Amino acid sequence: GENVEQHPSTLSVQEGDSAVIKCTYSDSASNYFPWYKQELGKRPQLIIDIRSNVGEKKDQRIAVTLNKTAKHFSLHITETQPEDSAVYFCAARWDTGRRALTFGSGTRLQVQP
Amino acid sequence: DGGITQSPKYLFRKEGQNVTLSCEQNLNHDAMYWYRQDPGQGLRLIYYSQIVNDFQKGDIAEGYSVSREKKESFPLTVTSAQKNPTAFYLCASSPLQQPQHFGDGTRLSIL
Repeated sequence: GENVEQHPSTLSVQEGDSAVIKCTYSDSASNYFPWYKQELGKRPQLIIDIRSNVGEKKDQRIAVTLNKTAKHFSLHITETQPEDSAVYFCAARWDTGRRALTFGSGTRLQVQP
Repeated sequence: DGGITQSPKYLFRKEGQNVTLSCEQNLNHDAMYWYRQDPGQGLRLIYYSQIVNDFQKGDIAEGYSVSREKKESFPLTVTSAQKNPTAFYLCASSPLQQPQHFGDGTRLSIL
């Protein structure tokens, strides 16, 4: 089955700096890659997603890039703010097979004021 | 996401007891999912259902059971066979091939 690895497990940046979180996946059939943000004790919330027919997607300060050949995708947050502090999860799914997401282990991002 | 309701928010289980977690959605989504989250870890798939009266095991189905008798409901039973049930349980739903959105979760603990 699908396996998703996520790095780093923790990331600390200064306010205004950029943050990058990387994930690799094992199943080349996976074609959908969302990112979720989870604040302490709350539900994960979708922040951005990308499908395999697209190499990059951007939404204001957040962007995701996908390299299908290398089977990895990354989340980029620019101009970080303290409210970006949370745990971020990547995930992968094969839309014509098992349609449930396989999640990475999470990255705890701390933005220092 | 106000359309996915999980209850209760907190639940306590005694030894040898089965407990059922409720998940209801009013979004008319075909697919529903149950995930388990342990402290400091990612989400692991327990069961999922893409259509009424059908469901599939996920990666950690042992000790759990589900039913999908109605499109809007996907309850999860944590049986006594699940020896380490303490975790945060998250239900999600989605239209087929669309993003999943989560409920607020149920935190299960052992008495």
